[in-house]
Amino acid sequence: GAVVSQHPSRVICKSGTSVKIECRSLDFQATTMFWYRQFPKQSLMLMATSNEGSKATYEQGVEKDKFLINHASLTLSTLTVTSAHPEDSSFYICSAISFSGLALADTQYFGPGTRLTVL
Amino acid sequence: AQSVTQLDSHVSVSEGTPVLLRCNYSSSYSPSLFWYVQHPNKGLQLLLKYTSAATLVKGINGFEAEFKKSETSFHLTKPSAHMSDAAEYFCVVTKGGGNKLTFGTGTQLKVEL
Repeated sequence: GAVVSQHPSRVICKSGTSVKIECRSLDFQATTMFWYRQFPKQSLMLMATSNEGSKATYEQGVEKDKFLINHASLTLSTLTVTSAHPEDSSFYICSAISFSGLALADTQYFGPGTRLTVL
Repeated sequence: AQSVTQLDSHVSVSEGTPVLLRCNYSSSYSPSLFWYVQHPNKGLQLLLKYTSAATLVKGINGFEAEFKKSETSFHLTKPSAHMSDAAEYFCVVTKGGGNKLTFGTGTQLKVEL
């Protein structure tokens, strides 16, 4: 139980295009989802927190117009990287948290990540 | 504010020998503490969590960790390493309530024959 999926697992795009990454909780309702960015051989950095039906809260230094987050339902959040540039190339990871159901309370469950490469 | 320090960026052990991955935390609140493991090109998997119940926490795959408030530590141990344990391990702290996580810098565990 408590599985989080991400799609796609890998994406390569041209500079200037936009890329959408989906994060789904498969067997629980995620009241809150988080988006992280991980650079090679580094730790995870929280980008934003999204609650279903409300605007995402972005961490300091993260451009909200660059990284659009939509948490349209209790099982789906999307991250859109707009006008992507090579410096946006990274490993993007989502996580989901729930206070009921199959998921342990107060525990974040992570997706497998999406490797974005911008040429 | 809260933070976590993983004292070793790399640990190398022989298969069958004990594993010790060190973590110290700093938190203004009663913390929840986690250990996650990340295998290459895979998502993070929860190994175990501490949330103010028993101070010795048992996790999956034979791992356990002990919360020591006096030492502000939450070290991860395993009696006998297996080749499949080779991965990156992250110690994570959060204010009780499980929302915003603060990650350590990670410890790369290498297991040799």
